[in-house]
Amino acid sequence: DSGVTQTPKHLITATGQRVTLRCSPRSGDLSVYWYQQSLDQGLQFLIQYYNGEERAKGNILERFSAQQFPDLHSELNLSSLELGDSALYFCASSRGGTSPGGGYTFGSGTRLTVV
Amino acid sequence: SQELEQSPQSLIVQEGKNLTINCTSSKTLYGLYWYKQKYGEGLIFLMMLQKGGEEKSHEKITAKLDEKKQQSSLHITASQPSHAGIYLCGADKAGGSYIPTFGRGTSLIVHP
Repeated sequence: DSGVTQTPKHLITATGQRVTLRCSPRSGDLSVYWYQQSLDQGLQFLIQYYNGEERAKGNILERFSAQQFPDLHSELNLSSLELGDSALYFCASSRGGTSPGGGYTFGSGTRLTVV
Repeated sequence: SQELEQSPQSLIVQEGKNLTINCTSSKTLYGLYWYKQKYGEGLIFLMMLQKGGEEKSHEKITAKLDEKKQQSSLHITASQPSHAGIYLCGADKAGGSYIPTFGRGTSLIVHP
């Protein structure tokens, strides 16, 4: 157990739908990062939140949004889902906001299948 | 953003053999991470290299950072089936641009 909790582990939904993925960071970590992993794109950074504020943005589609709550858990919202959104979505956390200096701790991921 | 190229893409070795995985950056490396991923699971942090010439070991896995070549190598000695998985290199700083990026990964299979 890495200490980063992601729910749900698996999600199957239809095209056009909206889903919410949840992440609880490791105790004491203030930053949460969201990644998407697919066979053709590899591991792509989506967005980072640090202590409730957006810190960095990567290849995140406009249909996707995220937030970090006061208790530091984070949610990634995916809307108007397309078949191509099927992927593993990872959450990672770190203590600081820049250059973690020890690596990120990853959750076990949410496997999203859009049918 | 920083591009990280890993080679080879996949590797199949016999148990007991040594192997090397390379990670080359398109931009100056200020620090580099190595992670291991079991198929379909999360990433496990192996080690982080921050200085040119730095070398670190974790059990039978050794990684080295060559800043001049903008490259890192990961070496496994006397491979075991437990080493199987996907190895990814990652970096989070490239000339002031802070976007954490990862290579595409190297898939390792170790035959007993």
